[in-house]
Amino acid sequence: KNQVEQSPQSLIILEGKNCTLQCNYTVSPFSNLRWYKQDTGRGPVSLTIMTFSENTKSNGRYTATLDADTKQSSLHITASQLSDSASYICVVRSGAGSYQLTFGKGTKLSVIP
Amino acid sequence: DTGVSQNPRHKITKRGQNVTFRCDPISEHNRLYWYRQTLGQGPEFLTYFQNEAQLEKSRLLSDRFSAERPKGSFSTLEIQRTEQGDSAMYLCASSFGGQGSHEQYFGPGTRLTVT
Repeated sequence: KNQVEQSPQSLIILEGKNCTLQCNYTVSPFSNLRWYKQDTGRGPVSLTIMTFSENTKSNGRYTATLDADTKQSSLHITASQLSDSASYICVVRSGAGSYQLTFGKGTKLSVIP
Repeated sequence: DTGVSQNPRHKITKRGQNVTFRCDPISEHNRLYWYRQTLGQGPEFLTYFQNEAQLEKSRLLSDRFSAERPKGSFSTLEIQRTEQGDSAMYLCASSFGGQGSHEQYFGPGTRLTVT
């Protein structure tokens, strides 16, 4: 069964600090991995998308890494801002011809002043 | 705004009533997806359309749920005889089904509360 596990479940950090969110997956065959940011009461918004051959991708203060051998990904947020407070969802797409995505439960990040 | 739109944004209904939600995808996108998300969980896949054809349905989509995309543009999701367990955020997403990553763009969601 395809699964995506994220940790921690929630995280509180001080404004200006860095943090790293983790994602482990068992989706096979692997096609790509995405990180989404979801503000409370809103739909998810894509931050990065990574394919098998990519192991680092940055989008501003967000840097995602992917280790396809260990099936792990991380999302590093640098110099956090209050507006970073949201849920961060790791999503993996199978390459088996299905267009379904497997979603993690998300990490709820709270950035406090 | 040329993103995915959903209406209504919020719906409160009594148990046993029928509800219908609408999703308008990004205009050039031929694929449309419905998801359900409960508090503290990631979205769960419900169903997927390519143009007007409904190609996949999750086992979560019980007989009380039906989705249509009659002209391959907007889509509706109807829930009949609503139950309290149907309370959730219903998300719609769309993508372009050509070469590439099939990036899905999400709408703001419709939050359903069944009392």
